[in-house]
Amino acid sequence: GAVVSQHPSWVICKSGTSVKIECRSLDFQATTMFWYRQFPKQSLMLMATSNEGSKATYEQGVEKDKFLINHASLTLSTLTVTSAHPEDSSFYICSARDSEGSIYPYGYTFGSGTRLTVV
Amino acid sequence: GQQVMQIPQYQHVQEGEDFTTYCNSSTTLSNIQWYKQRPGGHPVFLIQLVKSGEVKKQKRLTFQFGEAKKNSSLHITATQTTDVGTYFCAGLGTSGSARQLTFGSGTQLTVLP
Repeated sequence: GAVVSQHPSWVICKSGTSVKIECRSLDFQATTMFWYRQFPKQSLMLMATSNEGSKATYEQGVEKDKFLINHASLTLSTLTVTSAHPEDSSFYICSARDSEGSIYPYGYTFGSGTRLTVV
Repeated sequence: GQQVMQIPQYQHVQEGEDFTTYCNSSTTLSNIQWYKQRPGGHPVFLIQLVKSGEVKKQKRLTFQFGEAKKNSSLHITATQTTDVGTYFCAGLGTSGSARQLTFGSGTQLTVLP
């Protein structure tokens, strides 16, 4: 089945530093990658959508200069949290789909998530 | 924009009891998907419903998609402790090239042994 590998699983960083999160599609070409943020006991909130080779589309209220997304290849997308602050502490998850809009078993394949703690 | 409401937010049941969670979308959906997220884990795809009025079963889980393709439900018969987790519905809109999923708020299920 489709697999999305996300790294790191967890990271602790100091306030003011930047953190990069990677998502790789292992056995399919991820034409579109979605980045979500999930606060404790809350739902997944879409942050941005990226298509390979083009600029990401950010949801309202998400700072594009703070959350840099790069989708330079069909198998890799990265999210960089720049100048992180404690309020950026959250669970970040990527999700991918292929060009057909469906991946076996026809759901969106999620990475395992990255728990970011900014101290 | 598209909104997906899900109720209840929390549900505690005794093992063996049934459980149902409901989703309602503000707009007609192309399809609806259901995910399960265990504590500390990531969402795992359960099923996708596409057709109006569709009903699908997976062992003790029954999924329904409303006739108007705006609401859906997940019913678990005779819950087990392994059913513990948060169940999310996610609706896929009918327009827009990105075809992004909008997640419901989730229902956190606790099963008491």
